[in-house]
Amino acid sequence: QTVVTQEPSLTVSPGGTVTLSCASSTGAVTSDNYPSWFQQKPGQAPRPLIYSTNNKHSWTPARFSGSLLGGRPALTLSGVQPEDEADYYCLLYFSGTWVFGGGTKLTVL
Amino acid sequence: QLQLQESGPGLVKPSETLSLTCTVSGVSISTSSYYWGWIRQPPGKGLEWIGSIYYSASTYYNPSLRSRVTISVDTSKNQFSLKLSSVTAADAAVYFCARVDGSGWYGFEHWGQGTLVTVSS
Repeated sequence: QTVVTQEPSLTVSPGGTVTLSCASSTGAVTSDNYPSWFQQKPGQAPRPLIYSTNNKHSWTPARFSGSLLGGRPALTLSGVQPEDEADYYCLLYFSGTWVFGGGTKLTVL
Repeated sequence: QLQLQESGPGLVKPSETLSLTCTVSGVSISTSSYYWGWIRQPPGKGLEWIGSIYYSASTYYNPSLRSRVTISVDTSKNQFSLKLSSVTAADAAVYFCARVDGSGWYGFEHWGQGTLVTVSS
């Protein structure tokens, strides 16, 4: 079964920049895997941030951006705000099924 | 405005069947552009996709849960449902329903607030 791996935790200073990534056990991820990213705060449902690699939803702050770096989806936060402290999940599509990454706990300190 | 609302028993006994319903409002569940999905999250752990269904009842399931999962749709009530059989403590989680773009492009764009299911005798 496909496993999607993310950094378990990252720490960033307010105003800084941080990049989160995910990797697939099947190898390089492409746009055909429709990489997406979600933010989740305690007690809340996941909030979609990025779809299909680098597309933002209407509610996604401009400081969030998505990309593919060396076959790995990446989520970059530029000018991090204290409210960006949360768990972040990537999600990939594989022939009719979807697999979430294990999540990255982002601390803003 | 699209809304999804999960409902069902918050407590299920081990070995029994977990049953949840997601009521969709603001859009017809028969819209051809979308699938409707279930996702769960055990306390303190990550998200797990359970499965998705099309209004025509075409389904896709997580291979790790396939033998125990049934997702169905009731277009007359604008609802879709999840049944998970032979539950154990490992099935205790917050269960979310979501709308899934049929092409995959927009992914899981809209989510319900989630409902907590505890497994205990």
